[in-house]
Amino acid sequence: DAGVIQSPRHEVTEMGQEVTLRCKPISGHDYLFWYRQTMMRGLELLIYFNNNVPIDDSGMPEDRFSAKMPNASFSTLKIQPSEPRDSAVYFCASNRLAVQDTQYFGPGTRLTVL
Amino acid sequence: GQQVMQIPQYQHVQEGEDFTTYCNSSTTLSNIQWYKQRPGGHPVFLIQLVKSGEVKKQKRLTFQFGEAKKNSSLHITATQTTDVGTYFCADNYQLIWGAGTKLIIKP
Repeated sequence: DAGVIQSPRHEVTEMGQEVTLRCKPISGHDYLFWYRQTMMRGLELLIYFNNNVPIDDSGMPEDRFSAKMPNASFSTLKIQPSEPRDSAVYFCASNRLAVQDTQYFGPGTRLTVL
Repeated sequence: GQQVMQIPQYQHVQEGEDFTTYCNSSTTLSNIQWYKQRPGGHPVFLIQLVKSGEVKKQKRLTFQFGEAKKNSSLHITATQTTDVGTYFCADNYQLIWGAGTKLIIKP
């Protein structure tokens, strides 16, 4: 299997622009997680899905952030409008059977908002 | 909400010295998973501990889960340059992560 796939790997945008990050989980995995990592705040769980349904979005920082999972093989994290403080590495992870199972992370998207 | 405190934040060691990172919780943990993130990389699963007092070894790495399931540690014996990275603990049943300990090898 190819592992978790994320695109783009790097994104540079200007403040106020819309940003869409994409994730393809490992085939057959039922759970998908979105994380944000910064030096200041470490690794933060933003939202997770089970069978394409959002289960817990309490980590989503504010209304500018939204996430969708239209099918089992695709998820997006959208920031609109983006702000410089959104600059971070965004990881997507998936796992198979239960929320506490091993998480497999994608390579991440490094977002820079100017 | 519940937090897992991980210490130290950084540890500088000479190659060949030992390294230890600790995770502590004020409440009982469901399980503990340990992940390693190489510089510029993504977290990669190392091991999971479930039982009270559990000890597991992977070559030079020893993982322990406390008797009360409120703390855990990762010990690396005789560090090598390939050990460089940030080590995270996580209770992924409750979806809480430690802040990570960065292992730095002194030149």
